[in-house]
Amino acid sequence: AQKITQTQPGMFVQEKEAVTLDCTYDTSDQSYGLFWYKQPSSGEMIFLIYQGSYDEQNATEGRYSLNFQKARKSANLVISASQLGDSAMYFCAMRDNYGQNFVFGPGTRLSVLP
Amino acid sequence: EAGVAQSPRYKIIEKRQSVAFWCNPISGHATLYWYQQILGQGPKLLIQFQNNGVVDDSQLPKDRFSAERLKGVDSTLKIQPAKLEDSAVYLCASSHTSGSYNEQFFGPGTRLTVL
Repeated sequence: AQKITQTQPGMFVQEKEAVTLDCTYDTSDQSYGLFWYKQPSSGEMIFLIYQGSYDEQNATEGRYSLNFQKARKSANLVISASQLGDSAMYFCAMRDNYGQNFVFGPGTRLSVLP
Repeated sequence: EAGVAQSPRYKIIEKRQSVAFWCNPISGHATLYWYQQILGQGPKLLIQFQNNGVVDDSQLPKDRFSAERLKGVDSTLKIQPAKLEDSAVYLCASSHTSGSYNEQFFGPGTRLTVL
């Protein structure tokens, strides 16, 4: 069974600084996908970034990048130049190659300080 | 394009009552998901449909939960009878197809409180 671990229940970062949110995963599949979602206090889930297990380059989307280390089974999210609006819950998730077994981690609450 | 619609947004019921949630996915999205998100936790997948067929319902408590997606568009999730531990936000999501990379678009959720 697939599993996602996020060991940081809460993180603080100063505005304009970079922050790394940790994610490790466990799977026996060779092919899978990794995702990060943001959930503000309003409750909606917002897709941020995707990394395929066979992608050789780390994914980037604007200020978001994914530090993918396959051998370590980690997929950390890096947010550069933090903004106050980045304060939210962040969830790491994964699914298998068939688009099934979608699993979310417990989340990390990020607070950006002015 | 219009997003994923869910109703109602909030529901309060007493234990042992029944409740139903409705979801209208993004037009053209073949895959529909229902998640349960208990306060302070990540979402847990309850059921995944591909068109009107069930792909994965391994975590659906089938003794009290049921879901259907007639005609492969709208979907309803029902709880009968509800328990206190069913208090959660129920999220519906849709994606164009299934497959390893497929961004899921989420609805606003239905917050259920069971008293």
